[in-house]
Amino acid sequence: AQSVTQLDSQVPVFEEAPVELRCNYSSSVSVYLFWYVQYPNQGLQLLLKYLSGSTLVKGINGFEAEFNKSQTSFHLRKPSVHISDTAEYFCAVKGQGGSEKLVFGKGTKLTVNP
Amino acid sequence: GAGVSQTPSNKVTEKGKYVELRCDPISGHTALYWYRQSLGQGPEFLIYFQGTGAADDSGLPNDRFFAVRPEGSVSTLKIQRTERGDSAVYLCASSLGGNEKLFFGSGTQLSVL
Repeated sequence: AQSVTQLDSQVPVFEEAPVELRCNYSSSVSVYLFWYVQYPNQGLQLLLKYLSGSTLVKGINGFEAEFNKSQTSFHLRKPSVHISDTAEYFCAVKGQGGSEKLVFGKGTKLTVNP
Repeated sequence: GAGVSQTPSNKVTEKGKYVELRCDPISGHTALYWYRQSLGQGPEFLIYFQGTGAADDSGLPNDRFFAVRPEGSVSTLKIQRTERGDSAVYLCASSLGGNEKLFFGSGTQLSVL
């Protein structure tokens, strides 16, 4: 079984500041990792995913994440945030070779202030 | 359609009643998922369909919950004898399968009074 821990439930930042949203996972097998974003009054949408290869993954809207197997982490970063990045961000994990079940963390609410 | 459609968007019912929640996936998507999201929580997996069959229903909380996808397209989540604890947003998602991204609907907000 897999589980995801998002260490920060809320992250307030000022516009143009850098941000890091933390995600740690637990799994007895190798995993695939994902970040989804939920903008206000919208459905969840995929930001980026790690399947294999380079551990640094780039996604939409200038976000990137780095897979660290030894630390079982997949932190999300953006060097300079905009007001429009205000949303809830969910980290998710899927075990390789098993069910297609995607397990989500509890989410981090990012609020970008002017 | 352009995206995943869920109906109704809101459903208010009384404790003990039966409800059905509908999901219309993106045309051609063989994989369909149901999740439940309670306030302040992430989406919680309920069931996954590959085609018409439920490939993984390990997330269904008890036998009051049941889901079908008879023709491999539209899916219905059925909840019998609803309880106040069933109140949540029920999300549906579809994909082409494998590690292709999930496309989520806007959800059905279920309120059990």
